Amino acid sequence: DGGITQSPKYLFRKEGQNVTLSCEQNLNHDAMYWYRQDPGQGLRLIYYSQIVNDFQKGDIAEGYSVSREKKESFPLTVTSAQKNPTAFYLCASSIVAGGPYNEQFFGPGTRLTVL
Amino acid sequence: QKEVEQDPGPLSVPEGAIVSLNCTYSNSAFQYFMWYRQYSRKGPELLMYTYSSGNKEDGRFTAQVDKSSKYISLFIRDSQPSDSATYLCAMKTGNQFYFGTGTSLTVIP
Repeated sequence: DGGITQSPKYLFRKEGQNVTLSCEQNLNHDAMYWYRQDPGQGLRLIYYSQIVNDFQKGDIAEGYSVSREKKESFPLTVTSAQKNPTAFYLCASSIVAGGPYNEQFFGPGTRLTVL
Repeated sequence: QKEVEQDPGPLSVPEGAIVSLNCTYSNSAFQYFMWYRQYSRKGPELLMYTYSSGNKEDGRFTAQVDKSSKYISLFIRDSQPSDSATYLCAMKTGNQFYFGTGTSLTVIP
């Protein structure tokens, strides 16, 4: 049963703490992405990675960090430097090879709340 | 100006109605067009995808692309209460994806 899993589903953090959101995929996709979704603002790209051990900043990377040590895994750390981290975080993946005609598939999301 | 513009709604229709959801875009380099459906507190799921101008049909759903006008649409026929969700359009150039803000749809029984 292929897909993208994210954990945990809900996460609560105290101000000043770093937290790590997990994203795993078994679709054998090369590229993985992290988005943040806020009401009325759509999806905003945080980081993306097209290959193991390489990743690029998206539009709103400040206060976040990622790693890509394995093809299947792309964890996102929300650091204490992120000023407004409460949001719904979505992980996605897609095939890179074959040109532009490849879709993006999403995980179920993690809702992070800062207390 | 955003790369992709989408009317946020909300849109409310009676069951059985035809629904039209629309997005406009400014970047002529966009090559691939997608529609996602997102239920509350869930991840988006891919509904339709197309890369050419014209219509693509899948059951009650039709995706339409007009590259000359930089305009895409999703039509839902015989709408059902289970279609109540937020619909996101998405476009791709190279390996970059661009999303609309989503249109919230409610189908009233």
